[in-house]
Amino acid sequence: DPKIIQKPKYLVAVTGSEKILICEQYLGHNAMYWYRQSAKKPLEFMFSYSYQKLMDNQTASSRFQPQSSKKNHLDLQITALKPDDSATYFCASSQEIWASAETLYFGSGTRLTVL
Amino acid sequence: GQQVQQSPASLVLQEGENAELQCNFSTSLNSMQWFYQRPGGSLVSLFYNPSGTKHSGRLTSTTVIKERRSSLHISSSQTTDSGTYLCALLNNAGAKLTFGGGTRLTVRP
Repeated sequence: DPKIIQKPKYLVAVTGSEKILICEQYLGHNAMYWYRQSAKKPLEFMFSYSYQKLMDNQTASSRFQPQSSKKNHLDLQITALKPDDSATYFCASSQEIWASAETLYFGSGTRLTVL
Repeated sequence: GQQVQQSPASLVLQEGENAELQCNFSTSLNSMQWFYQRPGGSLVSLFYNPSGTKHSGRLTSTTVIKERRSSLHISSSQTTDSGTYLCALLNNAGAKLTFGGGTRLTVRP
């Protein structure tokens, strides 16, 4: 049973459109994150949230907006999509924001392709 | 510059051979973690190893802080070991991991 659910698994979008990537965790964790993995770059940190509040943002573009409607949800809204946004987006969680990396759990990812 | 560098970028083995994967980092270390990424993309934590040597089955991780390196040794490789191995640094400000580019391992029967 996956404890971090990401939906959809695959997503195809056209340039200029808007999409929302869904992440739900059932681990009872208080911290959630988004990471991105593209063909050209290593897996890279995007955002961290703790108790539904933004803690760190390493994404330069405001086109990427996390949304936390519930404690165990952290969705990622991406607007004005560009082909360079094509990547696999991973959601992760940990018990607390300051937890060691040993307790960081990843979802299976959403592979986004922007045409 | 890139803070975490992994080598080799890819490696092909025959089943039963051993593998040594390297991770070098250019910043001070808070902790080091190794992940296995399945061909389908999901990530599995292998080791949390800020220093010293840790063992788990056929896997051994060794981190030498003063030399700014960590290694992952896989003994008696199996075809199911195929995938990408990633090392990542944890910075001092929380669970923000900086990943290396990975080593893609292929084990042939």
